[in-house]
Amino acid sequence: QAVVTQEPSLTVSPGGTVTLTCGSSTGTVTSDHYPYWFQQKPGQAPRTLIYHTSTKDSWTPARFSGSLLGGKAALTLSGAQAEDEADYYCLLSSSGGRVVFGGGTKLTVL
Amino acid sequence: EVQLVESGGGSVQPEGSLRLSCTASGFTFSSYSLHWVRQPPGKGLLWVSRISSDGSSTDYVDSVKGRFTMSRDNAKKTVLLQMNGLRAEDTAVYYCAAEAGGTVFWGQGTLVTVSS
Repeated sequence: QAVVTQEPSLTVSPGGTVTLTCGSSTGTVTSDHYPYWFQQKPGQAPRTLIYHTSTKDSWTPARFSGSLLGGKAALTLSGAQAEDEADYYCLLSSSGGRVVFGGGTKLTVL
Repeated sequence: EVQLVESGGGSVQPEGSLRLSCTASGFTFSSYSLHWVRQPPGKGLLWVSRISSDGSSTDYVDSVKGRFTMSRDNAKKTVLLQMNGLRAEDTAVYYCAAEAGGTVFWGQGTLVTVSS
């Protein structure tokens, strides 16, 4: 089963830009992995931010965007706000209907 | 309003059993694949299992294969996770999630604690 890797932690300044990445031990991440990004705040269930690489959920603020970058899935936050401080998880589809989460990135806005 | 409500969590001794239930409302349940995802205290998300929209196929993470069984009743808009042979490492909040066409709805989770 693939191992999905994310940066354990990142810090961004208010108003700044940061990119989170999501790599796979099996090689290049493509649109065929149907990358998802979820946001989770303490004590809350995850919420879907991005699905199928770059499609935003109905609630997703415009400052979030998804892409493929350098063989990985990427989540870019442009114009960070204090409310964006959270854990972010990527999810990749693998064979046979299975999916694998990355270990998560703890994003600090400071 | 879309809702997924999990129930059935609690404390159980090692090698014991629990059955989690997730009841849906506010969307066309029978069109969605259902997943169970768990999160150990203070740790990340782990995908546990999936069942297809019609219930004809299931998949499991290797660590629960042979111990956990997922099923669904589309008429009752309910999905179940039968967990047998529970281990300390199964301790987690268990989330139910429904997915179709990229859209994912999440429940609020139910806590399972395995301890002697």
